[in-house]
Amino acid sequence: GQQVMQIPQYQHVQEGEDFTTYCNSSTTLSNIQWYKQRPGGHPVFLIQLVKSGEVKKQKRLTFQFGEAKKNSSLHITATQTTDVGTYFCAGPGGLTGGGNKLTFGTGTQLKVEL
Amino acid sequence: NAGVTQTPKFRILKIGQSMTLQCAQDMNHNYMYWYRQDPGMGLKLIYYSVGAGITDKGEVPNGYNVSRSTTEDFPLRLELAAPSQTSVYFCASRPRDRAKYFGPGTRLTVL
Repeated sequence: GQQVMQIPQYQHVQEGEDFTTYCNSSTTLSNIQWYKQRPGGHPVFLIQLVKSGEVKKQKRLTFQFGEAKKNSSLHITATQTTDVGTYFCAGPGGLTGGGNKLTFGTGTQLKVEL
Repeated sequence: NAGVTQTPKFRILKIGQSMTLQCAQDMNHNYMYWYRQDPGMGLKLIYYSVGAGITDKGEVPNGYNVSRSTTEDFPLRLELAAPSQTSVYFCASRPRDRAKYFGPGTRLTVL
């Protein structure tokens, strides 16, 4: 079945440093979604990417979808303590997947130290 | 809108006991989901539903049952609780072709 892996598993940064998490799927994705989960909280939707090579920005966050639609990345510029949490990518099952069986990545836990 | 609500927030069960985790949404979403998240891990899909009266298995359905008699409610039933079912359970819903809204979760411990 489809597997979605993320690296790194953990990342500790000093406040103000940049952070990147990478997401790799074993199959081509019709779209990819990113979620953030604060400690003790629930996943919150951040963004969805659909097109090959797509790049979207949300303030200090930059999301990219690979040309082959099998990988994606999330980059945070100048991290802040409010960025602490686990970031998950998620992709539907296969090319025609409508998101019914969204497969979540393993997640990258970000800790930001002052 | 209250969004996606889950009850209870916390529960401790003894091995072999049964319980139902409640999930409700007031956004008229057709699609609803149950996930479990083990400590430090990602989310595994247990069951999902694409509308009232329609349910289907996810990755890890064993030991669980669901029903969807209304658009609003999607309860998850544990019949014979086992320690392996200790986890945080998240319910989610979404409209067609949109991202999921997650509930606050139910933390279940089976001793």
